[in-house]
Amino acid sequence: GENVEQHPSTLSVQEGDSAVIKCTYSDSASNYFPWYKQELGKRPQLIIDIRSNVGEKKDQRIAVTLNKTAKHFSLHITETQPEDSAVYFCADHTSGTYKYIFGTGTRLKVLA
Amino acid sequence: EAGVVQSPRYKIIEKKQPVAFWCNPISGHNTLYWYRQNLGQGPELLIRYENEEAVDDSQLPKDRFSAERLKGVDSTLKIQPAELGDSAVYLCASSQPGQGYNSPLHFGNGTRLTVT
Repeated sequence: GENVEQHPSTLSVQEGDSAVIKCTYSDSASNYFPWYKQELGKRPQLIIDIRSNVGEKKDQRIAVTLNKTAKHFSLHITETQPEDSAVYFCADHTSGTYKYIFGTGTRLKVLA
Repeated sequence: EAGVVQSPRYKIIEKKQPVAFWCNPISGHNTLYWYRQNLGQGPELLIRYENEEAVDDSQLPKDRFSAERLKGVDSTLKIQPAELGDSAVYLCASSQPGQGYNSPLHFGNGTRLTVT
Protein backbone atom coordinates (compact mmCIF):
# COMPACT_ATOMS: atom_id res chain seq x y z
CA GLY A 1 0.00 0.00 0.00
CA GLU A 2 1.12 3.53 -0.62
CA ASN A 3 -0.70 5.47 2.08
CA VAL A 4 -2.46 4.64 5.34
CA GLU A 5 -4.45 7.21 7.28
CA GLN A 6 -5.16 6.53 10.93
CA HIS A 7 -7.69 8.25 13.19
CA PRO A 8 -7.92 9.49 15.83
CA SER A 9 -4.40 10.48 16.81
CA THR A 10 -5.34 10.45 20.50
CA LEU A 11 -8.20 8.73 22.29
CA SER A 12 -9.18 8.81 25.95
CA VAL A 13 -11.80 6.43 27.31
CA GLN A 14 -13.03 5.47 30.73
CA GLU A 15 -12.06 2.05 32.01
CA GLY A 16 -14.63 -0.49 30.87
CA ASP A 17 -15.69 1.49 27.81
CA SER A 18 -14.93 0.51 24.23
CA ALA A 19 -12.31 2.07 21.96
CA VAL A 20 -12.33 2.14 18.18
CA ILE A 21 -9.45 3.12 15.92
CA LYS A 22 -9.89 3.38 12.17
CA CYS A 23 -7.46 3.17 9.29
CA THR A 24 -7.98 3.86 5.61
CA TYR A 25 -5.72 2.56 2.89
CA SER A 26 -5.32 3.51 -0.75
CA ASP A 27 -3.81 0.49 -2.51
CA SER A 28 -6.51 -1.91 -3.69
CA ALA A 29 -3.86 -4.64 -3.92
CA SER A 30 -3.29 -4.56 -0.15
CA ASN A 31 -4.28 -7.89 1.33
CA TYR A 32 -2.98 -8.08 4.89
CA PHE A 33 -3.66 -5.70 7.75
CA PRO A 34 -1.87 -6.08 11.10
CA TRP A 35 -2.29 -4.00 14.23
CA TYR A 36 0.61 -3.30 16.58
CA LYS A 37 0.63 -2.09 20.18
CA GLN A 38 3.62 -0.10 21.36
CA GLU A 39 4.07 0.71 25.01
CA LEU A 40 6.36 3.55 25.98
CA GLY A 41 9.97 2.70 25.24
CA LYS A 42 9.14 -0.79 24.00
CA ARG A 43 8.95 -2.59 20.68
CA PRO A 44 5.79 -2.64 18.58
CA GLN A 45 4.04 -5.95 19.18
CA LEU A 46 1.49 -7.61 16.95
CA ILE A 47 -1.88 -7.88 18.68
CA ILE A 48 -4.18 -8.94 15.88
CA ASP A 49 -4.19 -9.15 12.11
CA ILE A 50 -6.65 -9.77 9.32
CA ARG A 51 -6.32 -10.98 5.75
CA SER A 52 -8.36 -9.67 2.87
CA ASN A 53 -10.45 -12.81 2.51
CA VAL A 54 -11.95 -12.27 5.98
CA GLY A 55 -14.34 -9.52 7.13
CA GLU A 56 -13.87 -9.77 10.89
CA LYS A 57 -11.59 -11.43 13.41
CA LYS A 58 -11.85 -11.53 17.19
CA ASP A 59 -9.44 -12.43 19.95
CA GLN A 60 -10.93 -12.02 23.41
CA ARG A 61 -11.42 -8.27 23.97
CA ILE A 62 -9.98 -7.13 20.66
CA ALA A 63 -11.44 -7.40 17.19
CA VAL A 64 -10.62 -6.11 13.74
CA THR A 65 -13.07 -5.47 10.94
CA LEU A 66 -12.25 -4.98 7.27
CA ASN A 67 -14.33 -3.25 4.62
CA LYS A 68 -12.58 -3.87 1.31
CA THR A 69 -15.04 -1.84 -0.71
CA ALA A 70 -14.47 1.26 1.38
CA LYS A 71 -10.78 0.40 1.92
CA HIS A 72 -10.86 0.76 5.66
CA PHE A 73 -10.24 -1.43 8.66
CA SER A 74 -10.82 -0.83 12.33
CA LEU A 75 -9.55 -2.02 15.68
CA HIS A 76 -12.13 -2.51 18.41
CA ILE A 77 -11.18 -2.94 22.05
CA THR A 78 -13.98 -3.75 24.47
CA GLU A 79 -13.99 -3.54 28.27
CA THR A 80 -10.85 -1.41 28.19
CA GLN A 81 -8.36 -1.69 31.03
CA PRO A 82 -5.56 0.66 32.13
CA GLU A 83 -2.98 -1.75 30.67
CA ASP A 84 -4.50 -1.15 27.24
CA SER A 85 -2.99 2.34 27.37
CA ALA A 86 -0.37 2.51 24.60
CA VAL A 87 0.15 3.70 21.05
CA TYR A 88 -1.57 1.56 18.43
CA PHE A 89 -0.38 1.37 14.83
CA CYS A 90 -2.20 -0.07 11.88
CA ALA A 91 -0.40 -1.23 8.76
CA ASP A 92 -1.21 -2.56 5.36
CA HIS A 93 0.76 -4.96 3.27
CA THR A 94 0.69 -6.26 -0.28
CA SER A 95 1.68 -9.85 -0.87
CA GLY A 96 4.70 -10.16 -3.10
CA THR A 97 6.08 -6.72 -2.24
CA TYR A 98 6.76 -7.45 1.44
CA LYS A 99 6.24 -3.74 1.94
CA TYR A 100 4.41 -2.60 5.05
CA ILE A 101 3.00 0.92 5.28
CA PHE A 102 2.25 2.06 8.81
CA GLY A 103 -0.31 4.55 10.03
CA THR A 104 0.76 7.47 12.18
CA GLY A 105 -0.46 5.88 15.39
CA THR A 106 -3.19 6.42 17.97
CA ARG A 107 -2.31 7.17 21.55
CA LEU A 108 -4.95 5.43 23.67
CA LYS A 109 -5.34 6.42 27.28
CA VAL A 110 -7.65 4.39 29.49
CA LEU A 111 -8.71 6.36 32.54
CA ALA A 112 -9.20 4.40 35.75
CA GLU B 1 11.59 -18.54 20.36
CA ALA B 2 14.21 -15.84 20.86
CA GLY B 3 13.06 -12.54 19.51
CA VAL B 4 14.81 -10.01 17.31
CA VAL B 5 17.87 -8.73 19.15
CA GLN B 6 19.25 -5.25 18.63
CA SER B 7 22.17 -3.40 20.12
CA PRO B 8 22.94 -0.96 21.50
CA ARG B 9 19.67 0.11 23.16
CA TYR B 10 20.75 3.71 23.41
CA LYS B 11 23.40 5.77 21.65
CA ILE B 12 24.31 9.41 22.12
CA ILE B 13 26.76 10.93 19.67
CA GLU B 14 27.80 14.35 18.47
CA LYS B 15 26.86 15.41 14.98
CA LYS B 16 29.28 14.45 12.21
CA GLN B 17 30.31 11.32 14.13
CA PRO B 18 29.69 7.81 12.76
CA VAL B 19 27.37 5.32 14.42
CA ALA B 20 26.44 1.70 13.80
CA PHE B 21 23.51 -0.45 14.88
CA TRP B 22 23.39 -4.22 14.95
CA CYS B 23 20.47 -6.63 14.50
CA ASN B 24 20.09 -10.37 14.88
CA PRO B 25 16.76 -11.56 13.47
CA ILE B 26 14.69 -14.51 14.57
CA SER B 27 16.31 -17.75 13.48
CA GLY B 28 15.05 -18.85 10.10
CA HIS B 29 13.61 -15.47 9.14
CA ASN B 30 14.90 -14.66 5.68
CA THR B 31 13.42 -11.17 5.45
CA LEU B 32 14.97 -8.39 7.51
CA TYR B 33 13.85 -4.78 7.71
CA TRP B 34 15.34 -1.60 9.11
CA TYR B 35 12.83 1.05 10.10
CA ARG B 36 13.23 4.54 11.51
CA GLN B 37 10.64 5.78 13.96
CA ASN B 38 10.49 9.46 14.80
CA LEU B 39 8.77 10.58 17.98
CA GLY B 40 5.02 10.28 17.67
CA GLN B 41 5.18 8.68 14.23
CA GLY B 42 4.81 5.25 12.75
CA PRO B 43 7.83 3.25 11.58
CA GLU B 44 9.18 4.19 8.16
CA LEU B 45 11.08 1.69 6.07
CA LEU B 46 14.74 2.34 5.35
CA ILE B 47 15.79 -0.95 3.77
CA ARG B 48 14.56 -4.52 3.32
CA TYR B 49 16.71 -7.62 2.82
CA GLU B 50 15.79 -10.99 1.40
CA ASN B 51 18.61 -13.17 2.69
CA GLU B 52 21.75 -11.16 1.89
CA GLU B 53 20.21 -9.13 -0.94
CA ALA B 54 18.92 -5.61 -0.38
CA VAL B 55 15.70 -5.72 -2.39
CA ASP B 56 14.22 -2.37 -1.36
CA ASP B 57 16.50 0.50 -0.35
CA SER B 58 14.58 3.27 -2.07
CA GLN B 59 14.02 5.14 1.23
CA LEU B 60 17.60 4.84 2.47
CA PRO B 61 19.52 8.17 2.37
CA LYS B 62 22.47 6.68 0.59
CA ASP B 63 24.73 9.69 0.98
CA ARG B 64 25.16 8.93 4.67
CA PHE B 65 23.42 5.64 5.43
CA SER B 66 24.65 2.18 4.57
CA ALA B 67 23.63 -1.30 5.55
CA GLU B 68 24.85 -4.83 5.10
CA ARG B 69 23.73 -8.37 5.76
CA LEU B 70 26.73 -10.31 4.56
CA LYS B 71 25.76 -13.87 5.49
CA GLY B 72 22.02 -13.41 5.30
CA VAL B 73 21.59 -13.44 9.08
CA ASP B 74 22.87 -10.49 11.18
CA SER B 75 22.69 -6.99 9.80
CA THR B 76 24.32 -3.67 10.55
CA LEU B 77 23.06 -0.19 9.75
CA LYS B 78 25.56 2.64 9.68
CA ILE B 79 25.27 6.41 9.57
CA GLN B 80 28.28 8.49 8.62
CA PRO B 81 28.30 11.35 9.34
CA ALA B 82 25.32 11.68 11.66
CA GLU B 83 23.13 14.80 11.56
CA LEU B 84 20.84 16.26 14.19
CA GLY B 85 17.81 15.13 12.21
CA ASP B 86 18.90 11.51 12.47
CA SER B 87 17.80 11.40 16.11
CA ALA B 88 15.14 8.68 16.21
CA VAL B 89 14.54 5.08 17.19
CA TYR B 90 15.95 2.61 14.69
CA LEU B 91 13.94 -0.58 14.64
CA CYS B 92 14.94 -3.88 13.12
CA ALA B 93 12.27 -6.39 12.21
CA SER B 94 12.18 -9.80 10.60
CA SER B 95 9.58 -12.04 9.03
CA GLN B 96 9.33 -15.48 7.54
CA PRO B 97 7.04 -15.40 4.51
CA GLY B 98 4.70 -18.34 4.49
CA GLN B 99 3.34 -20.12 1.50
CA GLY B 100 0.47 -18.24 -0.06
CA TYR B 101 -0.09 -15.72 2.71
CA ASN B 102 1.66 -12.93 4.53
CA SER B 103 3.79 -13.21 7.63
CA PRO B 104 3.74 -10.58 10.37
CA LEU B 105 6.71 -8.45 11.34
CA HIS B 106 8.54 -9.18 14.56
CA PHE B 107 10.32 -6.12 15.91
CA GLY B 108 13.39 -5.72 18.07
CA ASN B 109 13.49 -3.27 20.97
CA GLY B 110 15.18 -0.68 18.81
CA THR B 111 18.15 1.62 19.22
CA ARG B 112 17.34 5.10 20.42
CA LEU B 113 19.81 7.46 18.76
CA THR B 114 20.36 10.98 20.03
CA VAL B 115 22.57 13.26 17.97
CA THR B 116 23.74 16.39 19.80
